[in-house]
Amino acid sequence: GAVVSQHPSRVICKSGTSVKIECRSLDFQATTMFWYRQFPKKSLMLMATSNEGSKATYEQGVEKDKFLINHASLTLSTLTVTSAHPEDSSFYICSAPTSGRVRYNEQFFGPGTRLTVL
Amino acid sequence: EDKVVQSPLSLVVHEGDTVTLNCSYEVTNFRSLLWYKQEKKAPTFLFMLTSSGIEKKSGRLSSILDKKELFSILNITATQTGDSAVYLCAVAGAGGTSYGKLTFGQGTILTVHP
Repeated sequence: GAVVSQHPSRVICKSGTSVKIECRSLDFQATTMFWYRQFPKKSLMLMATSNEGSKATYEQGVEKDKFLINHASLTLSTLTVTSAHPEDSSFYICSAPTSGRVRYNEQFFGPGTRLTVL
Repeated sequence: EDKVVQSPLSLVVHEGDTVTLNCSYEVTNFRSLLWYKQEKKAPTFLFMLTSSGIEKKSGRLSSILDKKELFSILNITATQTGDSAVYLCAVAGAGGTSYGKLTFGQGTILTVHP
């Protein structure tokens, strides 16, 4: 099946620093990718839709200036958490739908990035 | 606003038991309903359902969708300890800005004891 990778898998940073998370589709092109966050024992919450060649679409309540998304190519989207604070500590997961393939609309998830802000 | 509700929120069984997990939804522009299994990391895909009444099977797991009642179930027979995980139900929108967006339920935490 399709593979989505994320880097880094885990990051620990000090409050006030910025952290960049990469999401790559390894064997297919993804004009759209999605970024989710997941708190412990909670479900996945969609943060934003990353669109190749255009601005990301953010869900209600998600700060655009805090969570910068750049979809630089058909296989790469990045999420930058700017001026991170402890409340930003969470599990961040990206996904990409494989539209145009047999399994239309099936989404493959990256392995996730565990962010801890001290 | 799209909504997905799963029940029960948690379930504890013994190996060999059969379990049924429930998922109900309210969503505009419904495209498909997906089931995922999540262990330590990101969710892994189990099933995608688009049509009512057609059961999908994979080994001991099976799932069915009722688009009239806006409901799906996931069955696991002869459970094993390796089935212990969080099972997530998600609904995908269709067309326009809904394309590809998944709305997740809260998940069901399944624990299978030896």
